[in-house]
Amino acid sequence: AQSVTQPDIHITVSEGASLELRCNYSYGATPYLFWYVQSPGQGLQLLLKYFSGDTLVQGIKGFEAEFKRSQSSFNLRKPSVHWSDAAEYFCAVARSYNTDKLIFGTGTRLQVFP
Amino acid sequence: EAGVAQSPRYKIIEKRQSVAFWCNPISGHATLYWYQQILGQGPKLLIQFQNNGVVDDSQLPKDRFSAERLKGVDSTLKIQPAKLEDSAVYLCASIPVQGALGYGYTFGSGTRLTVV
Repeated sequence: AQSVTQPDIHITVSEGASLELRCNYSYGATPYLFWYVQSPGQGLQLLLKYFSGDTLVQGIKGFEAEFKRSQSSFNLRKPSVHWSDAAEYFCAVARSYNTDKLIFGTGTRLQVFP
Repeated sequence: EAGVAQSPRYKIIEKRQSVAFWCNPISGHATLYWYQQILGQGPKLLIQFQNNGVVDDSQLPKDRFSAERLKGVDSTLKIQPAKLEDSAVYLCASIPVQGALGYGYTFGSGTRLTVV
Protein backbone atom coordinates (compact mmCIF):
# COMPACT_ATOMS: atom_id res chain seq x y z
CA ALA A 1 0.00 0.00 0.00
CA GLN A 2 1.07 3.54 -0.60
CA SER A 3 2.40 5.52 2.32
CA VAL A 4 4.07 8.83 3.00
CA THR A 5 6.54 9.49 5.79
CA GLN A 6 7.49 12.89 7.08
CA PRO A 7 10.23 12.14 9.62
CA ASP A 8 10.28 15.57 11.22
CA ILE A 9 7.27 16.42 13.36
CA HIS A 10 8.51 19.88 14.29
CA ILE A 11 11.24 22.08 12.84
CA THR A 12 12.42 25.46 14.09
CA VAL A 13 14.47 27.82 11.98
CA SER A 14 15.55 31.43 12.16
CA GLU A 15 14.14 33.91 9.70
CA GLY A 16 16.42 34.13 6.68
CA ALA A 17 17.81 30.64 7.16
CA SER A 18 17.40 27.92 4.58
CA LEU A 19 14.82 25.18 5.01
CA GLU A 20 14.47 21.57 3.97
CA LEU A 21 11.46 19.45 4.90
CA ARG A 22 11.79 15.74 4.29
CA CYS A 23 9.27 13.46 2.63
CA ASN A 24 9.64 9.79 1.76
CA TYR A 25 7.05 7.75 -0.05
CA SER A 26 6.42 4.08 -0.55
CA TYR A 27 5.13 3.07 -3.95
CA GLY A 28 6.48 0.84 -6.69
CA ALA A 29 5.93 3.03 -9.70
CA THR A 30 6.44 6.75 -10.14
CA PRO A 31 3.83 8.42 -8.01
CA TYR A 32 2.25 11.83 -8.29
CA LEU A 33 3.67 13.95 -5.49
CA PHE A 34 2.42 17.09 -3.80
CA TRP A 35 3.30 19.52 -1.05
CA TYR A 36 0.55 21.43 0.76
CA VAL A 37 0.74 24.11 3.43
CA GLN A 38 -1.83 24.67 6.16
CA SER A 39 -1.91 27.84 8.23
CA PRO A 40 -3.77 27.76 11.56
CA GLY A 41 -7.51 27.55 11.08
CA GLN A 42 -7.18 27.35 7.32
CA GLY A 43 -7.58 24.74 4.67
CA LEU A 44 -4.68 23.30 2.73
CA GLN A 45 -3.04 25.26 -0.04
CA LEU A 46 -1.11 23.59 -2.85
CA LEU A 47 2.56 24.65 -2.94
CA LEU A 48 3.76 22.49 -5.81
CA LYS A 49 3.36 19.14 -7.51
CA TYR A 50 5.41 16.63 -9.47
CA PHE A 51 4.00 14.38 -12.15
CA SER A 52 6.87 13.78 -14.56
CA GLY A 53 9.76 15.47 -16.33
CA ASP A 54 12.23 17.76 -14.59
CA THR A 55 12.81 16.40 -11.12
CA LEU A 56 13.23 19.87 -9.63
CA VAL A 57 9.90 21.64 -9.46
CA GLN A 58 9.19 25.21 -8.54
CA GLY A 59 6.18 26.24 -6.54
CA ILE A 60 4.57 29.27 -5.04
CA LYS A 61 6.03 31.45 -2.28
CA GLY A 62 9.61 30.64 -3.33
CA PHE A 63 9.42 26.93 -2.52
CA GLU A 64 10.92 24.16 -4.60
CA ALA A 65 11.08 20.38 -4.28
CA GLU A 66 13.26 17.69 -5.79
CA PHE A 67 12.08 14.24 -6.73
CA LYS A 68 14.74 11.56 -6.17
CA ARG A 69 13.57 8.18 -7.34
CA SER A 70 16.60 6.35 -5.93
CA GLN A 71 15.82 7.64 -2.45
CA SER A 72 12.01 7.61 -2.78
CA SER A 73 12.08 11.18 -1.60
CA PHE A 74 10.44 14.48 -2.46
CA ASN A 75 11.97 17.04 -0.13
CA LEU A 76 10.73 20.60 0.06
CA ARG A 77 13.23 23.46 0.18
CA LYS A 78 13.35 27.20 0.51
CA PRO A 79 16.59 29.20 0.46
CA SER A 80 15.46 31.92 2.87
CA VAL A 81 12.54 31.48 5.24
CA HIS A 82 10.19 34.31 6.13
CA TRP A 83 8.24 34.58 9.38
CA SER A 84 5.03 34.15 7.38
CA ASP A 85 6.15 30.65 6.36
CA ALA A 86 5.35 29.37 9.84
CA ALA A 87 2.67 26.73 9.26
CA GLU A 88 2.16 22.99 8.91
CA TYR A 89 3.43 21.33 5.77
CA PHE A 90 2.04 18.12 4.32
CA CYS A 91 3.51 15.87 1.69
CA ALA A 92 1.01 13.79 -0.28
CA VAL A 93 1.07 11.10 -2.94
CA ALA A 94 -1.43 9.83 -5.47
CA ARG A 95 -1.10 6.48 -7.14
CA SER A 96 -2.34 7.64 -10.50
CA TYR A 97 -3.72 10.63 -12.29
CA ASN A 98 -7.16 9.10 -12.47
CA THR A 99 -7.33 7.73 -8.97
CA ASP A 100 -7.37 11.24 -7.52
CA LYS A 101 -7.16 9.97 -3.95
CA LEU A 102 -4.36 11.66 -2.02
CA ILE A 103 -2.47 9.91 0.77
CA PHE A 104 -1.04 12.46 3.18
CA GLY A 105 1.89 12.32 5.53
CA THR A 106 1.51 13.30 9.16
CA GLY A 107 2.87 16.77 8.56
CA THR A 108 5.79 18.90 9.73
CA ARG A 109 5.15 21.95 11.84
CA LEU A 110 7.48 24.81 10.97
CA GLN A 111 8.26 27.46 13.53
CA VAL A 112 10.21 30.57 12.49
CA PHE A 113 12.12 32.71 14.97
CA PRO A 114 12.96 36.35 14.19
CA GLU B 1 -13.64 32.60 -8.36
CA ALA B 2 -15.19 31.74 -5.03
CA GLY B 3 -13.48 29.01 -3.06
CA VAL B 4 -14.85 25.91 -1.41
CA ALA B 5 -17.34 26.96 1.25
CA GLN B 6 -17.87 24.97 4.42
CA SER B 7 -20.11 25.46 7.41
CA PRO B 8 -20.17 25.61 10.30
CA ARG B 9 -16.57 26.54 11.15
CA TYR B 10 -16.81 25.06 14.64
CA LYS B 11 -19.13 22.62 16.35
CA ILE B 12 -19.14 21.20 19.86
CA ILE B 13 -21.49 18.32 20.63
CA GLU B 14 -21.86 15.65 23.25
CA LYS B 15 -21.11 12.04 22.42
CA ARG B 16 -24.04 10.14 20.97
CA GLN B 17 -25.49 13.30 19.47
CA SER B 18 -25.74 13.82 15.73
CA VAL B 19 -24.09 16.51 13.63
CA ALA B 20 -24.05 17.60 9.99
CA PHE B 21 -21.52 19.51 7.95
CA TRP B 22 -22.13 21.29 4.69
CA CYS B 23 -19.85 21.90 1.73
CA ASN B 24 -20.33 23.90 -1.45
CA PRO B 25 -17.50 23.26 -3.92
CA ILE B 26 -16.19 25.61 -6.56
CA SER B 27 -18.80 26.19 -9.22
CA GLY B 28 -18.57 23.59 -11.96
CA HIS B 29 -16.33 21.21 -10.03
CA ALA B 30 -17.71 17.74 -10.57
CA THR B 31 -15.50 15.88 -8.09
CA LEU B 32 -15.88 16.47 -4.38
CA TYR B 33 -14.04 14.93 -1.42
CA TRP B 34 -14.51 14.80 2.32
CA TYR B 35 -11.37 14.34 4.40
CA GLN B 36 -11.01 13.83 8.15
CA GLN B 37 -8.00 15.40 9.83
CA ILE B 38 -7.39 14.27 13.40
CA LEU B 39 -5.07 16.44 15.45
CA GLY B 40 -1.45 15.55 14.74
CA GLN B 41 -2.27 13.55 11.64
CA GLY B 42 -2.57 14.19 7.94
CA PRO B 43 -5.97 14.32 6.27
CA LYS B 44 -7.58 10.97 5.52
CA LEU B 45 -10.11 10.48 2.73
CA LEU B 46 -13.61 9.60 3.88
CA ILE B 47 -15.56 9.76 0.64
CA GLN B 48 -15.24 10.89 -2.97
CA PHE B 49 -18.13 11.96 -5.21
CA GLN B 50 -18.21 12.38 -8.96
CA ASN B 51 -21.28 14.53 -9.60
CA ASN B 52 -23.93 12.89 -7.40
CA GLY B 53 -22.39 9.41 -7.46
CA VAL B 54 -20.03 7.87 -4.92
CA VAL B 55 -16.64 6.92 -6.35
CA ASP B 56 -14.88 5.78 -3.18
CA ASP B 57 -16.30 5.40 0.33
CA SER B 58 -14.08 2.57 1.47
CA GLN B 59 -12.74 4.57 4.45
CA LEU B 60 -16.12 5.89 5.58
CA PRO B 61 -17.37 4.33 8.87
CA LYS B 62 -20.78 3.59 7.46
CA ASP B 63 -22.30 2.53 10.75
CA ARG B 64 -22.25 6.16 11.87
CA PHE B 65 -21.16 8.35 8.96
CA SER B 66 -23.21 9.18 5.91
CA ALA B 67 -22.77 11.63 3.07
CA GLU B 68 -24.81 12.77 0.14
CA ARG B 69 -24.55 15.02 -2.86
CA LEU B 70 -28.06 14.80 -4.23
CA LYS B 71 -27.91 17.37 -7.03
CA GLY B 72 -24.23 17.01 -7.78
CA VAL B 73 -23.38 20.39 -6.31
CA ASP B 74 -23.24 20.87 -2.55
CA SER B 75 -22.75 18.01 -0.14
CA THR B 76 -23.62 17.10 3.43
CA LEU B 77 -21.63 14.85 5.75
CA LYS B 78 -23.45 13.49 8.80
CA ILE B 79 -22.32 11.68 11.92
CA GLN B 80 -24.89 9.84 14.00
CA PRO B 81 -24.17 9.02 16.77
CA ALA B 82 -20.89 10.82 17.38
CA LYS B 83 -18.06 9.31 19.37
CA LEU B 84 -15.19 11.02 21.16
CA GLU B 85 -12.75 9.80 18.51
CA ASP B 86 -14.69 11.70 15.84
CA SER B 87 -13.19 14.94 17.15
CA ALA B 88 -11.33 16.28 14.13
CA VAL B 89 -11.34 18.84 11.36
CA TYR B 90 -13.52 17.82 8.44
CA LEU B 91 -12.20 19.18 5.17
CA CYS B 92 -14.03 19.41 1.90
CA ALA B 93 -12.14 19.66 -1.38
CA SER B 94 -12.99 19.71 -5.07
CA ILE B 95 -11.39 19.39 -8.48
CA PRO B 96 -12.96 20.17 -11.86
CA VAL B 97 -13.50 16.55 -12.87
CA GLN B 98 -12.20 13.09 -12.03
CA GLY B 99 -8.78 12.72 -13.58
CA ALA B 100 -7.97 16.41 -13.19
CA LEU B 101 -5.54 15.87 -10.37
CA GLY B 102 -3.06 18.15 -12.12
CA TYR B 103 -5.11 21.09 -10.99
CA GLY B 104 -4.58 20.14 -7.38
CA TYR B 105 -7.36 20.02 -4.87
CA THR B 106 -8.99 23.23 -3.67
CA PHE B 107 -9.74 22.82 0.02
CA GLY B 108 -12.27 24.59 2.17
CA SER B 109 -11.30 25.98 5.57
CA GLY B 110 -12.84 23.00 7.31
CA THR B 111 -15.23 22.35 10.17
CA ARG B 112 -13.62 21.70 13.53
CA LEU B 113 -15.70 19.18 15.48
CA THR B 114 -15.22 18.63 19.19
CA VAL B 115 -17.09 15.74 20.80
CA VAL B 116 -17.28 15.92 24.59
